[in-house]
Amino acid sequence: QKEVEQDPGPLSVPEGAIVSLNCTYSNSAFQYFMWYRQYSRKGPELLMYTYSSGNKEDGRFTAQVDKSSKYISLFIRDSQPSDSATYLCALYSGNTPLVFGKGTRLSVIA
Amino acid sequence: SQTIHQWPATLVQPVGSPLSLECTVEGTSNPNLYWYRQAAGRGLQLLFYSVGIGQISSEVPQNLSASRPQDRQFILSSKKLLLSDSGFYLCAWSRQADTEAFFGQGTRLTVV
Repeated sequence: QKEVEQDPGPLSVPEGAIVSLNCTYSNSAFQYFMWYRQYSRKGPELLMYTYSSGNKEDGRFTAQVDKSSKYISLFIRDSQPSDSATYLCALYSGNTPLVFGKGTRLSVIA
Repeated sequence: SQTIHQWPATLVQPVGSPLSLECTVEGTSNPNLYWYRQAAGRGLQLLFYSVGIGQISSEVPQNLSASRPQDRQFILSSKKLLLSDSGFYLCAWSRQADTEAFFGQGTRLTVV
């Protein structure tokens, strides 16, 4: 079983839709959970950062962590065409470099 | 503020030729440095990381090597490129004992 599983998509939604992106993981040592956004032909940039279980909201974005289920989510409300990108989850245990999911490619259609 | 520079942005190289990709970080000292490769459908694969000058950890045995000759300089090299070395190479840095990684803009390498 891979450390982090993420559906690569592609995911296509109409403008204004609520988007749900998810990752599952197997290592219970992960304590820090991040979401990166990567536009085409660019480097990833940090979007959201959560420590341990719970929710964190930033504008239209909400990150959710359920450590008991080893499941993390990113929700995007009122999605916009500018949200079209690849979204990667990243997990950190404190001992080794970040472990990334494969990324989910999202297209928001106007 | 901190910035990371990675070049070139694109590179086309013949099979068997050498490779040298350079990455430098400004505005911070003693960063952790990383080289990733991103291939279609395979996500970000960590190739090398360094916690200090001359300290390199290799995650995947392959045709590539890395060096850190200065505190904020990280170099990815190959003596002889293979077709399978094609991909999008990303350099990143993080503060010591910090979680967030900051990425460069990447180098698109095509081996022909």
